Amino acid sequence: AQSVTQPDIHITVSEGASLELRCNYSYGATPYLFWYVQSPGQGLQLLLKYFSGDTLVQGIKGFEAEFKRSQSSFNLRKPSVHWSDAAEYFCAVGSPSGGGADGLTFGKGTHLIIQP
Amino acid sequence: GAVVSQHPSWVICKSGTSVKIECRSLDFQATTMFWYRQFPKQSLMLMATSNEGSKATYEQGVEKDKFLINHASLTLSTLTVTSAHPEDSSFYICSASTYGDRAYNEQFFGPGTRLTVL
Repeated sequence: AQSVTQPDIHITVSEGASLELRCNYSYGATPYLFWYVQSPGQGLQLLLKYFSGDTLVQGIKGFEAEFKRSQSSFNLRKPSVHWSDAAEYFCAVGSPSGGGADGLTFGKGTHLIIQP
Repeated sequence: GAVVSQHPSWVICKSGTSVKIECRSLDFQATTMFWYRQFPKQSLMLMATSNEGSKATYEQGVEKDKFLINHASLTLSTLTVTSAHPEDSSFYICSASTYGDRAYNEQFFGPGTRLTVL
């Protein structure tokens, strides 16, 4: 069975500092990988996704993530965070064979706090 | 584009009553809709997958008689929590995707519905 681990429940970062959120997955092959952000009262918003190809993926809002097959990781990064980045971040995996017909498996989320 | 709405955004009901939550794709036709449940400070757990015009497929451990899912049209899916109890209190989130010529069809998520059962 596939699973996603986000080791950090909370992370506090100063505004303007760099950010890295960790995500490790367990899957039989290379899954499709996603990062979502959830703000209060908002739906999950897709930040970026990895299907294949270049292992460094650029997303919206200045985020990027790097797929490392050897470490089964897909960590999310941002060089300089803004106060508006404070939110809950979820890593998720999907099955390539499902073509999108299967639901996603989510990690437990990392709550990002931005200090002024 | 690709907006998914849910109604209501929050609902409070008495134990033993039933509650219906609607999920609508506003600007696309959703051939597949998914229902997730999110406990406080927890991850989203997939409850069921529904394809338009067919019965929903439930994940292991999800009671199909308690969580009734109907996907009668390409833009609407409903989740009915029957005979709700306090342990059913949770945040319910739907997502929708559509078949296309792409290798993978992205899910678009609704804002969620907060259910509180007294």
